[in-house]
Amino acid sequence: QKEVEQNSGPLSVPEGAIASLNCTYSDRGSQSFFWYRQYSGKSPELIMSIYSNGDKEDGRFTAQLNKASQYVSLLIRDSQPSDSATYLCAVYILRNQGGKLIFGQGTELSVKP
Amino acid sequence: DGGITQSPKYLFRKEGQNVTLSCEQNLNHDAMYWYRQDPGQGLRLIYYSQIVNDFQKGDIAEGYSVSREKKESFPLTVTSAQKNPTAFYLCASGGQGGQETQYFGPGTRLLVL
Repeated sequence: QKEVEQNSGPLSVPEGAIASLNCTYSDRGSQSFFWYRQYSGKSPELIMSIYSNGDKEDGRFTAQLNKASQYVSLLIRDSQPSDSATYLCAVYILRNQGGKLIFGQGTELSVKP
Repeated sequence: DGGITQSPKYLFRKEGQNVTLSCEQNLNHDAMYWYRQDPGQGLRLIYYSQIVNDFQKGDIAEGYSVSREKKESFPLTVTSAQKNPTAFYLCASGGQGGQETQYFGPGTRLLVL
C-alpha cells in the first residue's frame, strides 16, 4: 500500500461544475495535509493546508479532512478551464528519523469549456 | 521580493559529468529540500536540511550530494554515479518543523546528452 494515494485521472468536468479530488493516506498519526496545484511544465504551488478534521474553505476551494477514515479531499466549485492542472496531495508522515512530506502521484483535472 | 530561485532552468549533462543545480531562498526559512519528479510521477525526496551545516538523505539520495553552508543556499550536485538523471528537479523551503508548508522554486529540468 502506498503511503499517499490518489486517482491519477484524468478527471474531466464541465466548466461551472464541482470537481472533487480525493486522497487517502496510510499513517494514522499524520497531522498536516496539503494540496498543491501543478500546471504542465511548472512547479507545484500551494492551494490549501489543513490540520483539523472538517472543512476549510478558501474562495472556490474547500479542503475536507477525515482522520478516522484517513481521507482528505479537495473540492473546486465553479470549475474554470484555468483550473486544468495536476493536483498533488501531500501528507506529513512521522518516521523514526524524523518526519517527511510524502506526495501522492497527482490527479490530472481537465475542465472543459 | 521574497521567493525561491533555481538556476539554470535547463541543464544538459554529458556522460560522466557532475553538474550542480542552484537553489536560493530569501524567505528566512530554516529548512530546505530537494525533490525529483519523473513524468507522471509524484515528488520523491532526495535530500533535506533542517539547519545550516546539517543535512539528511531522503528516499533516493544515491548519486546526489548537497551542502548547506548558508541558510539561503542549498545546492544539489548530480554526480556521474546517478545513472538516470533525466528529471525535473524541484527545490523547496519551509519551517524547521517540517510539518509547516513547503514552498517550491520554479525547478530545473536536467537532460542527458
